[in-house]
Amino acid sequence: QLQLQESGPGLVKPSETLSLTCSVSGGSISSDSDYWGWIRQPPGKGPEWIGSIYYTGNTYYNPSLKSRVTLSVDTSKNQFSLKLHSVTAADTAVYYCARLDTDYVTYWGQGILVIVSS
Amino acid sequence: DIQMTQSPSSLSASVGDRITITCRASQDISRWLAWYQQKPEKAPKSLIYAASSLQSGVPSRFSGSGSGTDFTLTINYLQPEDFATYYCQQYNSYPLTFGGGTKVEIK
Repeated sequence: QLQLQESGPGLVKPSETLSLTCSVSGGSISSDSDYWGWIRQPPGKGPEWIGSIYYTGNTYYNPSLKSRVTLSVDTSKNQFSLKLHSVTAADTAVYYCARLDTDYVTYWGQGILVIVSS
Repeated sequence: DIQMTQSPSSLSASVGDRITITCRASQDISRWLAWYQQKPEKAPKSLIYAASSLQSGVPSRFSGSGSGTDFTLTINYLQPEDFATYYCQQYNSYPLTFGGGTKVEIK
């Protein structure tokens, strides 16, 4: 059974960098058929796709966030990571890591609430 | 970006009802559409992909249809565990985009 688990700080100060890691268990992040992604959901709103990464390091970013986002993958640890720079209160959301098959989500992590506040 | 518009934004229904949720894309997305179910304080759950294909383990009372710009999610014989918010998502092109959601409440 595939499991994805997000980890990282739940509170980030404005202008700083939000850093999250997703640990994958029950499957290999180096699967040829899968992409790995980050999706966020502000309180009371719908989901927003942040970006996706392949195990080779190929990335796809949402243009609305592209200038502030960096995705990376560590196949040796079966993990992938998100960095969102220069955060503001508008970046407060539940952040989900996910496995994608042809760009639709097949597995979601449980999510982690990140609050941007001083 | 492709805009995804869901209707209604909320609906009230009873156990045993049949309900239909609509999702409209701002441009042709062929059948590259997925549906998700989300319960309060929980991660979304994947229901349907390619407009009408059920994810493994999803009950057959859920069905999806449509192509191009207009899509529907139908739930037959609504069960207590089906009361949730439903989202559509297009994956025809980047950026991937979601609808605003339809909340299904108990009448």
